[in-house]
Order: sequence, then C-alpha cells, then structure tokens
Amino acid sequence: GAGVSQSPSNKVTEKGKDVELRCDPISGHTALYWYRQRLGQGLEFLIYFQGNSAPDKSGLPSDRFSAERTGESVSTLTIQRTQQEDSAVYLCASSLARAERYGYTFGSGTRLTVV
Amino acid sequence: GNSVTQMEGPVTLSEEAFLTINCTYTATGYPSLFWYVQYPGEGLQLLLKATKADDKGSNKGFEATYRKETTSFHLEKGSVQVSDSAVYFCALSDPTGGFKTIFGAGTRLFVKA
Repeated sequence: GAGVSQSPSNKVTEKGKDVELRCDPISGHTALYWYRQRLGQGLEFLIYFQGNSAPDKSGLPSDRFSAERTGESVSTLTIQRTQQEDSAVYLCASSLARAERYGYTFGSGTRLTVV
Repeated sequence: GNSVTQMEGPVTLSEEAFLTINCTYTATGYPSLFWYVQYPGEGLQLLLKATKADDKGSNKGFEATYRKETTSFHLEKGSVQVSDSAVYFCALSDPTGGFKTIFGAGTRLFVKA
C-alpha cells in the first residue's frame, strides 16, 4: 500500500483480556518494527522483523507479548492478559532493508486503553 | 550501548524566532542520525537525516549537521511558524548495534502567534 496501515486505531479493553494489533507495511519494505509510546514519553522498541523472522525481540516487556509476521507482509502484535500498564500507543514502522540509510515510515498507531 | 539525549521541553517560542533543539548521542559504530516530527494527532514522520560525519540534513527550513567530534546533531530553524508546533524526536540507527533505531525522549515545541 501507499503507507503503513495499522488497525484498530483505538482499542479499549478490560484488564485480563487478550488483544491483537495489526500492521500492514508498505509493499516492498522487508523490515518491520513495533514500538510503544506511553503518554508523554519517548518510543520504546519492542521487536524487529526482517522478512518473517525476528532477529531482535529484546524489547518485548514480558511473555504476555508476542508478535508474528506473514512473509514480508502483515504483522500482528498480541498482548495476552492485558494490564493497565499496557495502555499506550503502539506504533508500527517499516523500512527498506537498510533502515540506517532510509529511515522509517510510521503508521498512525493503535491507541490501547486497558480499563 | 547506543543512546540519544535531547533537551527537555517544552520549548516555547514566538513566531519567526530562531529554534535550536539540542541532541547528543552515544554509539559504538558509525550511526545514521535522524530527526522525526510528530504533529498533534498524527503519527511520526521523518523530517531529515544524515548518514555520515559532516553531512547536513535539511527539510522544510529545518537543518541539522552530523558532528562526530561533539557527537551531536542539533536541529535548527531560522524562523519558526505556528504550524511547526509539534514534538521532535532525535534518533540514531547503528547497524553495528543492531537493526533498530534508538529514539530520544522527544522535545515538545510550542510556537505562539
């Protein structure tokens, strides 16, 4: 597609429920990244995909968080048994293979609120 | 490890004032440096970048020069507008430190008419 698409744009869920967040990257972008942005704070790296493999999962905060990617296409971030501290904007970005040269294109994010 | 430090905000300026937002970095290799901007209610956008020492990135009247000797990448604009009000993030990407981009905490800019 023309840009990085994320859905849903907003999600309110009850504590303890599971949620799935979706990211559809720009066609041809082999690299895909998930970040989390808590209110008033900077971006916290979660996971990086190159194709459908994840060479760097170091930012996933707990085993309640998981992510997968189908080929060089859609990625899903799943949060199980959500907690209030999971409330944040979850941002997806994609890039051509060499992100250090081209930078990222970000989606508009999914605002997750756990009540 | 790699890190980015940028000046705390908020920064409040009057229209047509000169803007500087300081950014310094620590990196193990030779990183590329970026400034991203987040306008109210929107996602982050790449504003400008520089991939090697002494490069100057520029876009929309903003510019930043990659200074290896001072490990800095300060963002400047000669005359800000109300429409420049946003949060600005300094970032680095260092392939020797992994493939992810490291972001600073962000600096909020308010421009008054």
